[in-house]
Order: sequence, then structure tokens, then C-alpha cells
Amino acid sequence: DADVTQTPRNRITKTGKRIMLECSQTKGHDRMYWYRQDPGLGLRLIYYSFDVKDINKGEISDGYSVSRQAQAKFSLSLESAIPNQTALYFCATSDSARGRTEAFFGQGTRLTVV
Amino acid sequence: DAKTTQPTSMDCAEGRAANLPCNHSTISGNEYVYWYRQIHSQGPQYIIHGLKNNETNEMASLIITEDRKSSTLILPHATLRDTAVYYCIVRALEYGNKLVFGAGTILRVKS
Repeated sequence: DADVTQTPRNRITKTGKRIMLECSQTKGHDRMYWYRQDPGLGLRLIYYSFDVKDINKGEISDGYSVSRQAQAKFSLSLESAIPNQTALYFCATSDSARGRTEAFFGQGTRLTVV
Repeated sequence: DAKTTQPTSMDCAEGRAANLPCNHSTISGNEYVYWYRQIHSQGPQYIIHGLKNNETNEMASLIITEDRKSSTLILPHATLRDTAVYYCIVRALEYGNKLVFGAGTILRVKS
């Protein structure tokens, strides 16, 4: 089983619909992140959370919201999806306690808004 | 976090060493250099990181210049499966910092 699991892996939704992308991790890490990637571009940070009670906006948070339901779960919501939110979305985790801080990424969710 | 500059793309012959440069001239004393790679739309994968000493692991070596303003990631014997986008990231460890990805370098390993 993957350490960082994203669901769904692929999703097609209509403009205006609410959609939630879920991320769960079994690594016991305290930090979790949501990124989006558009074709040919690098990853851009949407939101990040350094513990259950901590939520921070990243570079491109408009149109998105997040929920850290537990240390192991971090959900990304699009309240009213629009076509320019079509992208590849990645969840990541890292551990502040160990001093190594490398991040581990999920396999991604490919979202298409039509 | 300090900005980084990487070439857009590079080619490397299979079996040869791949040397990927990164400039980070505004790096601060407490910032580490991290390297990740992304193989064809998969999740990025951590490769290596360092502060000022050269580092080596099973995947690669990281050479950081003495002034820390640039670094080079070395894949000693590149294979076709090393074809990927390689990201150089500079960040500090203290609370409040997060990974910020640039455009990276597309490495094409050719047979």
C-alpha cells in the first residue's frame, strides 16, 4: 500500500459542481500539503497544514478550501469548480520532527472540469 | 526561500554521468538545497539534500560550492528511467517554510 494515498485518481466534473479530493497518509507525518500542476509547468502550492489546528494559504488558494480532519487526512475542496481548475493535483507530507524534512508525494489526482 | 535557476533542459547519453546545475546565489546560511524529480506526471520523488558538505546516497551525489551559491546534482550512470524533470529547491528547516517548486530541468537520457 502507498504511504500517501489520493482519491480519486481521476475525476471529470461539470462546471459549478462541488468536488472534494482526499488525501490520507500512513507515515505519521505532521505536515501535509496540496499542490496543483498544469501541463508543462512546475507544482504550485495551494494550501498547507503543519498540524491538525494549523491551515495556511499557499500561492494559489483562491477557489479552494481545505480541511485537516485528522493528522493523517487532508482534504481539498473546490466549492464551485471552473474549467481553469483542470489540472493534476498532488498531496504531500513531511515530518518536522526528524530533521530530514523530505516530502513524500501521492500519485496525483487528475481533475477535469468541463 | 531563496530563488533557484536551472537550465530548461539537458540531454545525457545512457550510462554516462548526468550533471544537473542549479544556481541559488541568494541562499541564506540556514537554507538547505533539496533535489526532487518527477517522472512523467507521477508524484515528485525526493533525491537528496545538503547544507554545505557534499552528499551522496544510493541515487545521486550533491556537490555544493564553497560559497553555496550553486550546486550540481550528479547521477553517476544515467539510465533511460532517469528521464524526468529535476527540481532544485532551497529552503530552511524551521517552522513555517514549505516546498516551493520552480520549473525544473527536463533531463532526457538517450540510448
